[in-house]
Parts: sequence; C-alpha cells; structure tokens
Amino acid sequence: EVQLVESGGGLIQPGGSLRLSCAASGFTVSDNYMSWVRQAPGKGLGWVSVIYSDGNTYYADSVKGRFTISRDNSKNTLFLQMNSLRGEDTAVYYCARAVSPGEGLRYWGQGTLVTVS
Amino acid sequence: DIQMTQSPSTLSASVGDRVTITCRASQSISTWLAWYQQKPGKGPKLLIYKASNLESGVPSRFSGSGSGTEFALTISSLQPDDVATYYCQQYMWTFGQGTKVEI
Repeated sequence: EVQLVESGGGLIQPGGSLRLSCAASGFTVSDNYMSWVRQAPGKGLGWVSVIYSDGNTYYADSVKGRFTISRDNSKNTLFLQMNSLRGEDTAVYYCARAVSPGEGLRYWGQGTLVTVS
Repeated sequence: DIQMTQSPSTLSASVGDRVTITCRASQSISTWLAWYQQKPGKGPKLLIYKASNLESGVPSRFSGSGSGTEFALTISSLQPDDVATYYCQQYMWTFGQGTKVEI
C-alpha cells in the first residue's frame, strides 16, 4: 500500500528555517516524480516544487532561491528545506506522487501545517 | 509562466443537474491537464489526468475534455457527495484557483 507521511511542520518566526519530511512506503521515491503542494488557510492549492526521477528540480517563482527539494534514497524520504520564511508561506504542505509526468498527482500525504508568525 | 484560470469560482446546482467547470490556460498545454476534487478538511483527490482520462475508482459521471488552452470538467448528474472544491493543474505545475460546487 502506498503511503506518504509528512512531518516537520510547526510555528516558526519570519526569517527562520524549517525542514519538512515526507516518508514514503509502498514504492521507491527515487523512481517517481515527487511534488510539494501547499494550501494557505482558506485558500486554493499552490504548487511549490517537484523533483523528477532523474533528479531535476523545479520551483514556483514564489519560493525559488529560498526552498530546496531533495530526497534521501536510503530512507525513501522526500524533503523540503525552507529558508527565509515569510508570513505568506503559512500553509498546509502536502507531498504528492505522480506515477508518470503529466499524469497527475495520484497519491497525497495528509499534510503538515507550517505557521510563520 | 503559464497561468490557469477556472470559472466559475462558485457553482450552485441541484441534485441530478449536469454541471461543467472550465479551465483556461494562458498558452497551449496540449492535453497536459489534471482535475482534482477536495472535500472540506481533506487532501486533494485525482479525478482526471491527461485532460480526459478517468482515474481508477472515480465514478463515471465525471468526465474531462479539451486540449490546447480550453478544458472542461463535467459532472453528468450531480450527487450530494460531489460537494467539494475542484482544481485543475497544468502538467506538474500550476493549479487553477478552484471552483466550489454547492447543492
């Protein structure tokens, strides 16, 4: 069974750093296309970042230069390192898996809340 | 960057109605479009991928169409369980702003 479990969220002051983790089971993270998507309170979904199976990474303009997506193959875990945090980064952060690029995000975690205040 | 615009923002309809949500891309994205359903307090659920492919387990009353810059999600007969917010997403990236469906 495919499972994605995020952790690492919490309350952080503006300018601070936080690292989110997404522990995967039932599949191999490095063989898949893994994304981070966020949702500010009462707002819509916002794409944050994606890492392809070949290791290429992409970021939304709003987080470029501040956030870094990575993975640990030995732990089968996805990460999002978030630096220089701002109030507008406050959101529930979801990790999600696409089996193939362009075929949608089929599997989602439960989300972890990051509050910048 | 490609922008995705959904309409309407909110849709109110009756049980059994046929409802359509549209999503417009600021430039052609071929058929690289997915649709998601999100119920209150829950994470998103994939409904449609590559514009018109129904995800396994999704009721057949949901369908997707379109290519290029114009896309649509149709619910052929609206059910109470369909109350949710629906989002489109282009390729692996930008989401639309969402359409809230009410009964």
